[in-house]
Amino acid sequence: EVQLVESGGGLVQPGGSLRLSCAASGVTFSIHWMNWVRQAPGKGLEWVANIKLNGSEKNYVDSVRGRFIISRDDAENSLSLQMNSLRAEDTAVYYCVVSSGWVFRHWGQGTLVTVSS
Amino acid sequence: DIVMTQSPDSLAVSLGERATINCKSSQSLLYSSNNNNYLAWFQQKPGQPPKLLIYWASTRESGVPDRFSGSGSGSDFTLTISSLQAEDVAVYYCQQYYSDPLTFGGGTKVEIK
Repeated sequence: EVQLVESGGGLVQPGGSLRLSCAASGVTFSIHWMNWVRQAPGKGLEWVANIKLNGSEKNYVDSVRGRFIISRDDAENSLSLQMNSLRAEDTAVYYCVVSSGWVFRHWGQGTLVTVSS
Repeated sequence: DIVMTQSPDSLAVSLGERATINCKSSQSLLYSSNNNNYLAWFQQKPGQPPKLLIYWASTRESGVPDRFSGSGSGSDFTLTISSLQAEDVAVYYCQQYYSDPLTFGGGTKVEIK
């Protein structure tokens, strides 16, 4: 069974930083693209970033490019999202998602990030 | 960016009746070299992460009941629940994976009438 466990969420002031982590098990982590998808309270889904096998390619939604950095450690089966210069509009539940054949097949339970003073 | 537009925003259907959700993309999701539509459908229940239902527009994910079906091609797609069950109350999202940035529709809330 695939398990994705996110951690690192919490309350942070505008302009602050936070690092999210995702621990994966039950999946051959190194062969999959990995993603972060977020959902603001009561709102829809927004893809944030993805990273290719071996970290050789990274893509970001425009609203976070230059502020967020996605990374992976295939030896530890872990995914990270370094979030800098946080804004109120970054408040959301952040999901770690495994892509299998381009498809968002496995999702974690999510971790809540709240940006507020 | 590809914009995904779902309709309706919400619908109420009687138990056992059909529910139909539409999704339109701002450009074609059909990749001509493999004839695949890069479109997926997800179900999200309150307090839970989304769950993959359909991919390649019409391929049902393993374990998904066969009352769920996807259809359409190019820019117009449909998710159909043939006989609504109580456990199908949820928000449904379409999503394109044709090109970055990957984008979702705004969601359709399905309730029991």
